[in-house]
Amino acid sequence: SAVISQKPSRDICQRGTSLTIQCQVDSQVTMMFWYRQQPGQSLTLIATANQGSEATYESGFVIDKFPISRPNLTFSTLTVSNMSPEDSSIYLCSAWDTKNIQYFGAGTRLSVL
Amino acid sequence: GDSVTQMEGPVTLSEEAFLTINCTYTATGYPSLFWYVQYPGEGLQLLLKATKADDKGSNKGFEATYRKETTSFHLEKGSVQVSDSAVYFCALSDQGGGFKTIFGAGTRLFVKA
Repeated sequence: SAVISQKPSRDICQRGTSLTIQCQVDSQVTMMFWYRQQPGQSLTLIATANQGSEATYESGFVIDKFPISRPNLTFSTLTVSNMSPEDSSIYLCSAWDTKNIQYFGAGTRLSVL
Repeated sequence: GDSVTQMEGPVTLSEEAFLTINCTYTATGYPSLFWYVQYPGEGLQLLLKATKADDKGSNKGFEATYRKETTSFHLEKGSVQVSDSAVYFCALSDQGGGFKTIFGAGTRLFVKA
């Protein structure tokens, strides 16, 4: 099985600033994704993190707002840029291992004031 | 596009009661179906999965059967425990579509002692 370390676990930020969230997997994975989970709601896919190339974004999410990097197979970052209170949410990374099991990080709880 | 619909919660049960959480899906391809569980303050964990029609996934006393004719994947447990209190998400992933996962809205389960 894979263990995903995600940090920070929570943060309180001022509007207009940016926050970078890191996701590290302890074993070989194939696909990595970033999701947003608003309070009491389901998960919405932000983007697929592609190794060594630009992420693939879902409708409603853009690179300027949510730049993503994945420099190697087991590490990815998501930046939430120019934050507003509407960005307050839980951000989760996930990864699929070679046995087609999806694992999730514990999430980053972001509050924007 | 593909979608997942699951019964709304919260669901409140007494310990040792029978649990059913309904889940139906629409998909153009042949997706794998999943139930994930999210305990308070944690990320999602895979509970069980089924990859083709008539497969039954099971884990920790929970089970669900992939029913293609009714496009359903209902979660059941014969005797719930207080420790089963969590949010349960039904989900599908078409691995031919890049492993993206579509989640249902989630059902919160409370189990009373």
